[in-house]
Amino acid sequence: NAGVTQTPKFQVLKTGQSMTLQCAQDMNHEYMSWYRQDPGMGLRLIHYSVGAGITDQGEVPNGYNVSRSTTEDFPLRLLSAAPSQTSVYFCASKAGLAGETQYFGPGTRLLVL
Amino acid sequence: GENVEQHPSTLSVQEGDSAVIKCTYSDSASNYFPWYKQELGKRPQLIIDIRSNVGEKKDQRIAVTLNKTAKHFSLHITETQPEDSAVYFCAAPNQAGTALIFGKGTTLSVSS
Repeated sequence: NAGVTQTPKFQVLKTGQSMTLQCAQDMNHEYMSWYRQDPGMGLRLIHYSVGAGITDQGEVPNGYNVSRSTTEDFPLRLLSAAPSQTSVYFCASKAGLAGETQYFGPGTRLLVL
Repeated sequence: GENVEQHPSTLSVQEGDSAVIKCTYSDSASNYFPWYKQELGKRPQLIIDIRSNVGEKKDQRIAVTLNKTAKHFSLHITETQPEDSAVYFCAAPNQAGTALIFGKGTTLSVSS
């Protein structure tokens, strides 16, 4: 199993551009989530999904959209990038509701100029 | 929703010493508390977790304790080694139990 995969590894955007960060998992996990990591701020939850067609907002959802059309894929869209969205983005997945281990992807480093 | 506070933000110890990192949580219904280790440039990796029906769990040099009454849990690393140097995060489930809410992290430095 590849586990949780993310593409691209690194991206540079100009302010106002849009892009989609890709995330996929091959563990048949129902729950997937997106985090951003900034120095001194830890990992903050952006959006999460409990299954195909079901998504919800996390702690810092503004400026980001998500969709979940399949169990495997959970893309994160930035519609109009801002410098404040410069960060490292991690996708994660887990199998069940209570106490199941959450696995992280390798991350995408995003720089918005 | 859940709020997780983590202290200290940085911790420096000598090789062989013990290190303790503490976290508090706000939602008394939370029942699962994992700890993740993140090395520089890598993804967070689970190192140990504890469920609310136990007070302590050990795995070789690491242990986690949980005090449900006080709503806090701690990570204990004994006989620290330079390879323990990393950022450590505690976490608790969000209100729906479908994702994790993380503390802000502790940067542990172990000097030899």
